[in-house]
Amino acid sequence: KNQVEQSPQSLIILEGKNCTLQCNYTVSPFSNLRWYKQDTGRGPVSLTIMTFSENTKSNGRYTATLDADTKQSSLHITASQLSDSASYICVVSADGTSYGKLTFGQGTILTVHP
Amino acid sequence: KAGVTQTPRYLIKTRGQQVTLSCSPISGHRSVSWYQQTPGQGLQFLFEYFSETQRNKGNFPGRFSGRQFSNSRSEMNVSTLELGDSALYLCASSLTNFQGKYGYTFGSGTRLTVV
Repeated sequence: KNQVEQSPQSLIILEGKNCTLQCNYTVSPFSNLRWYKQDTGRGPVSLTIMTFSENTKSNGRYTATLDADTKQSSLHITASQLSDSASYICVVSADGTSYGKLTFGQGTILTVHP
Repeated sequence: KAGVTQTPRYLIKTRGQQVTLSCSPISGHRSVSWYQQTPGQGLQFLFEYFSETQRNKGNFPGRFSGRQFSNSRSEMNVSTLELGDSALYLCASSLTNFQGKYGYTFGSGTRLTVV
């Protein structure tokens, strides 16, 4: 069964600090992995997308890594800001499948305190 | 270019009523998928439409239904509302209905509260 597990469930950090969120998946055959940021009450917004051959992808202060061998991904946030407070969702899709076959993680709730 | 538009943004309904939510995809996108998001279950897939045809359906009861029009706009309907239907309903649109290089974009969602 395809699964995506994220850790930690929640995280509290101080403004300016770095943090790393984890995503482990068992989706096969793997197509791509996306990290989304979701503000409370809003829809998810894509941060990065990585395919099998990509190891690292950056988007400003967000850097995602992918290890297809161990089926792990991480999202590193540098110099956190108060606006980074949100839920971060890892979404994995299997090759050649429709959007109905996306596998979602439960998300990590990040809170940045001043 | 305009994003995915969902209306209404907020809705309060009484148990037993029915509700219709609307999603207008990005211009040119032909695939629309719907998701229910609750604190306990996270994001769960409801159904997906492509060119007015339902291509996939999630594990939700028959009270949840949808349709897509020729202009790709989509609606979902929930009949005989239950308290457990309270959730954020999200739709996402994409150029095609297959994964790979084509991305998908989420709308801001409709917050449904059943009282």
